[in-house]
Amino acid sequence: QKEVEQDPGPLSVPEGAIVSLNCTYSNSAFQYFMWYRQYSRKGPELLMYTYSSGNKEDGRFTAQVDKSSKYISLFIRDSQPSDSATYLCAMSAVAGYSTLTFGKGTMLLVSP
Amino acid sequence: GAGVSQSPSNKVTEKGKDVELRCDPISGHTALYWYRQSLGQGLEFLIYFQGNSAPDKSGLPSDRFSAERTGGSVSTLTIQRTQQEDSAVYLCASSLVGWQVNTEAFFGQGTRLTVV
Repeated sequence: QKEVEQDPGPLSVPEGAIVSLNCTYSNSAFQYFMWYRQYSRKGPELLMYTYSSGNKEDGRFTAQVDKSSKYISLFIRDSQPSDSATYLCAMSAVAGYSTLTFGKGTMLLVSP
Repeated sequence: GAGVSQSPSNKVTEKGKDVELRCDPISGHTALYWYRQSLGQGLEFLIYFQGNSAPDKSGLPSDRFSAERTGGSVSTLTIQRTQQEDSAVYLCASSLVGWQVNTEAFFGQGTRLTVV
């Protein structure tokens, strides 16, 4: 079992839909969780950062962490065509960008 | 600069040749990271610089890979005797300080390396 599993997609939704993106992981020591958005031919940009369990909301984006299930989610409300990108989850047991384990990414396509 | 700049954007090289990839971090950022993103794979950490020192180079896949950083700024990733499996997008990121996940790291657009 890979440390971080993420469905590659593509996930196609109409504009305005609620999108749910997910990652599962096997390392129970992970406590730092991040979601990145990566547009084609661009570097990733940080969307959400969560420490330990719980929810975090920022505008149309909500990140959820369920450590008991080893499952994290990113919800996008009122999705827009500009949200079309690849979404990467990343997680780490200790603080540090060098220790992050990334998922392979889910491609999201939002059609007008 | 306004963001992390990487050059070249694309590089095609013949198997066995050496290549140098350059990263200009955001001005004032002390921490710099190199990652590799292969087709269908997640980002893979290569090396971390704090200033000009590399306290963590555990991700370098072989001794054909090396990196340096000078003046606490520009970094160069060198791949010697390139192999086809080295084909990937090489991403550089920088952050104001290191070892803190809640200090955002900003990524460059990457260098797409193709070894033929």
